[in-house]
Amino acid sequence: AQSVTQLDSHVSVSEGTPVLLRCNYSSSYSPSLFWYVQHPNKGLQLLLKYTSAATLVKGINGFEAEFKKSETSFHLTKPSAHMSDAAEYFCVVSDAGSQGNLIFGKGTKLSVKP
Amino acid sequence: DVKVTQSSRYLVKRTGEKVFLECVQDMDHENMFWYRQDPGLGLRLIYFSYDVKMKEKGDIPEGYSVSREKKERFSLILESASTNQTSMYLCASSLGTGAGNSPLHFGNGTRLTVT
Repeated sequence: AQSVTQLDSHVSVSEGTPVLLRCNYSSSYSPSLFWYVQHPNKGLQLLLKYTSAATLVKGINGFEAEFKKSETSFHLTKPSAHMSDAAEYFCVVSDAGSQGNLIFGKGTKLSVKP
Repeated sequence: DVKVTQSSRYLVKRTGEKVFLECVQDMDHENMFWYRQDPGLGLRLIYFSYDVKMKEKGDIPEGYSVSREKKERFSLILESASTNQTSMYLCASSLGTGAGNSPLHFGNGTRLTVT
């Protein structure tokens, strides 16, 4: 069975410092992995996705994530946080080729201090 | 850009009412989904549809039904609203090549309060 665990419910960083949002997954098959961002009172927006190509995936707004099969991790990083990055972030796992079978993590709220 | 439009941003309904939440997408996507989002619980799948008139139960279908009469429109129905259905409801769509490779495109959500 698939599952996804976001290790921190809340992360706080200062503007200009690095961001690390942690995600571990469990999947019986070759997974597809996604990160979504949700700004207040908005729907979710795709940040990036991994689908068995390059293990380092670059997304929008300077974010990237690295797929590490040996660690079953897909952590999201950004070298320098911006105030506009303050939002909730969701890690999502899916079995490749499945339809509708997406599992969402419980989310990590990112706060950015000036 | 794909646009997923949810008809209401905020709704307040009374216990026992029948409630319709409407969702329309403009990119000819085969798959459509309804999620509810609650603090600390993340997103949970209620129902999804991979074709017109087709529907599949998600993780929490009890108390809900859906309708997909046209490809672009996916409706969520609360047959008899209850206070525990107070939540944020999110609609999403994706291409029909398999959700594993096809990202979801979300609407802005409907915040439903049942009193």
